[in-house]
Amino acid sequence: DAGVIQSPRHEVTEMGQEVTLRCKPISGHNSLFWYRQTMMRGLELLIYFNNNVPIDDSGMPEDRFSAKMPNASFSTLKIQPSEPRDSAVYFCASRGGTERDTQYFGPGTRLTVL
Amino acid sequence: SQQGEEDPQALSIQEGENATMNCSYKTSINNLQWYRQNSGRGLVHLILIRSNEREKHSGRLRVTLDTSKKSSSLLITASRAADTASYFCATDANDYKLSFGAGTTVTVRA
Repeated sequence: DAGVIQSPRHEVTEMGQEVTLRCKPISGHNSLFWYRQTMMRGLELLIYFNNNVPIDDSGMPEDRFSAKMPNASFSTLKIQPSEPRDSAVYFCASRGGTERDTQYFGPGTRLTVL
Repeated sequence: SQQGEEDPQALSIQEGENATMNCSYKTSINNLQWYRQNSGRGLVHLILIRSNEREKHSGRLRVTLDTSKKSSSLLITASRAADTASYFCATDANDYKLSFGAGTTVTVRA
């Protein structure tokens, strides 16, 4: 299994630009999570999908952030417009199958907003 | 908010020594998990211990859980240079939301 796949791995953009992060969960997993990691705040859950439906988006910072999961094998996290304080590493994780309590993380996307 | 808090924040040991780190949390949990993160990488799941378990082993890892004290410990025995990483505890209180601590940075010196 290829594991959770995220793209791009690195993104550098200018303030005000739209940023789209992508995630492919592990095949067969029915739960998907987006996290943000910063030095100041550590790992924060942004949004949780179950069976492609957003269940908990209470961690999404503000309306500039949106996430979609159009099918079981793809999710996006969009920031529009981006701001320097959005600079962080964004992780996608998926869960499911026999080890349903274990979350498997992707390698992350390091976002820098100038 | 971070429910789990690891202690110490950083740990430096000699190869071959044991490393112990602790995690304290505030509310009741379903399970507690430990993850490892190598520099610039994603998190790797190490071990999960459920609220009705007291101790669990996986290779050179030993995890204990004391729900009365709301605390857990992770022991890495016979450490290796490859164990150099940050270690996070994560508590699962409601079946999906993991709350991560700030992590313990472990450096294993050759």
